[in-house]
Amino acid sequence: GENVEQHPSTLSVQEGDSAVIKCTYSDSASNYFPWYKQELGKGPQLIIDIRSNVGEKKDQRIAVTLNKTAKHFSLHITETQPEDSAVYFCAASKPGGFKTIFGAGTRLFVKA
Amino acid sequence: DGGITQSPKYLFRKEGQNVTLSCEQNLNHDAMYWYRQDPGQGLRLIYYSQIVNDFQKGDIAEGYSVSREKKESFPLTVTSAQKNPTAFYLCASRRTGTNTGELFFGEGSRLTVL
Repeated sequence: GENVEQHPSTLSVQEGDSAVIKCTYSDSASNYFPWYKQELGKGPQLIIDIRSNVGEKKDQRIAVTLNKTAKHFSLHITETQPEDSAVYFCAASKPGGFKTIFGAGTRLFVKA
Repeated sequence: DGGITQSPKYLFRKEGQNVTLSCEQNLNHDAMYWYRQDPGQGLRLIYYSQIVNDFQKGDIAEGYSVSREKKESFPLTVTSAQKNPTAFYLCASRRTGTNTGELFFGEGSRLTVL
């Protein structure tokens, strides 16, 4: 069935360094790839998304890249800050988008 | 402000009891979802509804039930048949009929079975 694998499960970086989280999806029909950030005790919030007709998208310190051939997509956070510490989920969905498949999550720690 | 409201935030239940988690949205979204989150796991889909009076089972529907009598409301009942109900439950909604796939989440309900 549809599957999204996410790595690493935990990531610790020093403030100011970059962080990269990688995901792989199994269904080649997937065309929408969002990233969500979840702070402790809260619901996830969308931070950036990318569609399959685009290879890269950037929004200030965060960027997402997509390799459709390899079925990989990645989240890049530059100049990390302590407030970036959270759990990050990648996800994938197909046209129509009624179901979204989530990765297992990455817990990011940014040390001051 | 538009958004999704889940209640209660924390809930304790004795074994053998049914409990109902509330989810209300004022975003005028057609689609609503219930996810279960366990430590170290992604979000697993319990039930979803694309329109009023219609809903479908997700990947882990056993032991749960839902209703969708109003567009704004999608309550989840955790029944005594659910073997391991202690978890964090998230409700979400999304517009349909557009190209956007963004899910809007509530703040969650944490259920603990004593």
